Amino acid sequence: NAGVMQNPRHLVRRRGQEARLRCSPMKGHSHVYWYRQLPEEGLKFMVYLQKENIIDESGMPKERFSAEFPKEGPSILRIQQVVRGDSAAYFCASSPAVYTDTQYFGPGTRLTVL
Amino acid sequence: ILNVEQSPQSLHVQEGDSTNFTCSFPSSNFYALHWYRWETAKSPEALFVMTLNGDEKKKGRISATLNTKEGYSYLYIKGSQPEDSATYLCASNQAGTALIFGKGTTLSVSS
Repeated sequence: NAGVMQNPRHLVRRRGQEARLRCSPMKGHSHVYWYRQLPEEGLKFMVYLQKENIIDESGMPKERFSAEFPKEGPSILRIQQVVRGDSAAYFCASSPAVYTDTQYFGPGTRLTVL
Repeated sequence: ILNVEQSPQSLHVQEGDSTNFTCSFPSSNFYALHWYRWETAKSPEALFVMTLNGDEKKKGRISATLNTKEGYSYLYIKGSQPEDSATYLCASNQAGTALIFGKGTTLSVSS
């Protein structure tokens, strides 16, 4: 049973480019969460999605960031016009049910903005 | 805003020592408390989820307790081994809200 998959593991972008981060949840999990870890900081919640729906995006920056979890395929976190401050590790987690359920984490994508 | 605090930030123990860490969280509208173990270059690994005051969970040499009235949880490791070296994260949430993570306690066990 494969765990949560994330790709790419490392992503380098220049300022102004777009970054697309992918997350495939564990089999049977329909709930996906995205977290960001800035240098010297803990994991910060960004967004919670179910298939085709955004449930909670209270942690998402208001501009340039978006997320989706289509009916088919992985969840995508998209960052438009990246800036140096977007450099961080982005983690995806999935669970079979809602917030109280154990969340299973992927290995993360480390984004570096030059 | 929910704030989860962990202490100590880091600690170093000798193999065979027993140790414990603290996680503090707001007790009002408490819903669940999660503990994760995070080894370098790996994904956070779930250890426990606790929801009821007085809950105690155990997994091998690791155990955790929960006090929702005063807003704290302890994680205990009995007879620490070098493979226990990792960062231990706790996270808490209120009903219907996302998990808020602490910054973790980094444990280093020397053989």
